[in-house]
Amino acid sequence: GAVVSQHPSWVICKSGTSVKIECRSLDFQATTMFWYRQFPKQSLMLMATSNEGSKATYEQGVEKDKFLINHASLTLSTLTVTSAHPEDSSFYICSARDSGAQSTRQPQHFGDGTRLSIL
Amino acid sequence: DQQVKQNSPSLSVQEGRISILNCDYTNSMFDYFLWYKKYPAEGPTFLISISSIKDKNEDGRFTVFLNKSAKHLSLHIVPSQPGDSAVYFCAARSWGSQGNLIFGKGTKLSVKP
Repeated sequence: GAVVSQHPSWVICKSGTSVKIECRSLDFQATTMFWYRQFPKQSLMLMATSNEGSKATYEQGVEKDKFLINHASLTLSTLTVTSAHPEDSSFYICSARDSGAQSTRQPQHFGDGTRLSIL
Repeated sequence: DQQVKQNSPSLSVQEGRISILNCDYTNSMFDYFLWYKKYPAEGPTFLISISSIKDKNEDGRFTVFLNKSAKHLSLHIVPSQPGDSAVYFCAARSWGSQGNLIFGKGTKLSVKP
């Protein structure tokens, strides 16, 4: 089945560091990818929608200068948390929509997430 | 304002019995609903989905029921197994959107042997 690879799975870094998270669709093309954030015991909250070759669409309340999204190819989207602070510590999950899929049974395929811990 | 609500944060069921997880929604523009299973520090795993034009979809031990008039859906797992213990998220997709999903807060299911 479709696989989405997310890397790294866990990162710990100092406050002020910028962290890049990669999301790759391994066996399908994804013109649209999504970035979610999950706080402990909370829902997955959509942060932004990433479209290949164009600017990302951010949800209300998400700082686009803080969370930089690049979707330069049909198989790769990156999320960069710039100048990260402890309040940015969270679990970040990407998903990708298969552009060529005829069935909408599973409209998105999820990565395994990245646990970000800012000290 | 939460558009997708899972009002039970947790549910405990005996092995072999039925697990019923509930989900309510407020947006009548939702046209597709999904259930995901999630373990800590992992991404969601797709379980089953249902289109808004249907009222039931079954896949093995999993059945999803949709009551559009009540804006309510439920996931039935029967028989429940200890390996089903996880957090279950209900998600909905809005017609005309780019396909982004709105998630509920999840229900933690514990199946006891």
